[in-house]
Amino acid sequence: SYELTQPPSVSVSPGQTASITCSGDKLGDKYVSWYQQKPGQSPVLVSHQQSMWPSGNPERFSGSKSGNTATLTIRGTLPMDAADYYCQGWDRTNLVFGGGTKLTVL
Amino acid sequence: EVQVMESGGGLVQPGGSLRLSCAASGISFSSYWMSWVRQAPGKGLEWVANIDQDGSKKDYVDSVKGRFTISRDNAKNSLYLQMNSLRAEDTAVYYCARGEVYFDFWGQGTLVTVSS
Repeated sequence: SYELTQPPSVSVSPGQTASITCSGDKLGDKYVSWYQQKPGQSPVLVSHQQSMWPSGNPERFSGSKSGNTATLTIRGTLPMDAADYYCQGWDRTNLVFGGGTKLTVL
Repeated sequence: EVQVMESGGGLVQPGGSLRLSCAASGISFSSYWMSWVRQAPGKGLEWVANIDQDGSKKDYVDSVKGRFTISRDNAKNSLYLQMNSLRAEDTAVYYCARGEVYFDFWGQGTLVTVSS
């Protein structure tokens, strides 16, 4: 079965740039999206189509892709950005989430 | 105002059945694919099933094929998930979400616990 691999955890200092990666076989051929989930809350879409951000979401969040690795970049990280982040890949034969990355801001 | 609200979760014995409902408003329900996504306690997200705008196309993750059925009623702006032959590994919060390729509106989730 198809799998997307994320690092379990990433740490960043407030105000710095955080990068969360997502890798998978032939990920370059898939549509990649990213979600933020805070404890006890539903996921929130923060990026899709690799480089766009949904209306209403901070422009500090941006997605990119190179080869078989996608990256969510958070610029000027705030304490409120601490959360779990999930990548998600789609093509016409597969829809799968990555295992999630816990972002710690300290 | 956007509202997506799931209901129907609860405690059920292994082998039992449950029907989840999702009531939506403010999201142009009938114009979009809809999906169910679940999250086991302390675990990550897993896509479960989706359905196209008129209900003619449906797809499922392999682990629920033959046991779960997704459906919708556009007149009622509602999405459903009929779950039969439930197993302990189906225990999770089930979310209703708008979309096929990505999910831009999510409900608050309903907890399904499969246990004797």
